[in-house]
Amino acid sequence: GQQLNQSPQSMFIQEGEDVSMNCTSSSIFNTWLWYKQDPGEGPVLLIALYKAGELTSNGRLTAQFGITRKDSFLNISASIPSDVGIYFCAGQGGNNDMRFGAGTRLTVKP
Amino acid sequence: NAGVTQTPKFRVLKTGQSMTLLCAQDMNHEYMYWYRQDPGMGLRLIHYSVGEGTTAKGEVPDGYNVSRLKKQNFLLGLESAAPSQTSVYFCASKRAYNSPLHFGNGTRLTVT
Repeated sequence: GQQLNQSPQSMFIQEGEDVSMNCTSSSIFNTWLWYKQDPGEGPVLLIALYKAGELTSNGRLTAQFGITRKDSFLNISASIPSDVGIYFCAGQGGNNDMRFGAGTRLTVKP
Repeated sequence: NAGVTQTPKFRVLKTGQSMTLLCAQDMNHEYMYWYRQDPGMGLRLIHYSVGEGTTAKGEVPDGYNVSRLKKQNFLLGLESAAPSQTSVYFCASKRAYNSPLHFGNGTRLTVT
């Protein structure tokens, strides 16, 4: 099946720093999505990417759909304490299932 | 508009017991999914459905069954619970093939 490798597993940063995380796959994806999960809740969509090479921003967040369609990255600029959480990448391939990476746990120190 | 609603929120089962988790969505979405989330492993797909009356296996389907008799509901069943099925279960739905998933808030299941 399709495997997504997400890195890093965890990050400890100072408030105000920029953050970068990425996902790679052995398979091609048609859609890349980035989600954030807060404790005790379900993941919430941050950014959706639908075309190879696409670069999309949502406030301080920027994500790109890799040109090979096998990778994506998410950047967070000027981190703030409420950015704390687990970030997941997800990919949709040619079939109907959607697979997730193992997550990046972000801790922001004030 | 409640989105995706999962019931129950918490459950404790003894090994060998059975139970059904209910997922309901009020967004008229075609696609529905069941995932389990374990520490360090992200979300793993159990089963999914691309429309009323259809179901398909995901990555980790063994020990689970599902049914989609009505478009708005997707049921996940455990016939004989095992401790390895202790996890947090998330239901999600989406409108169309390339649409993003909308998640419920999860069901925390403990099997002793």
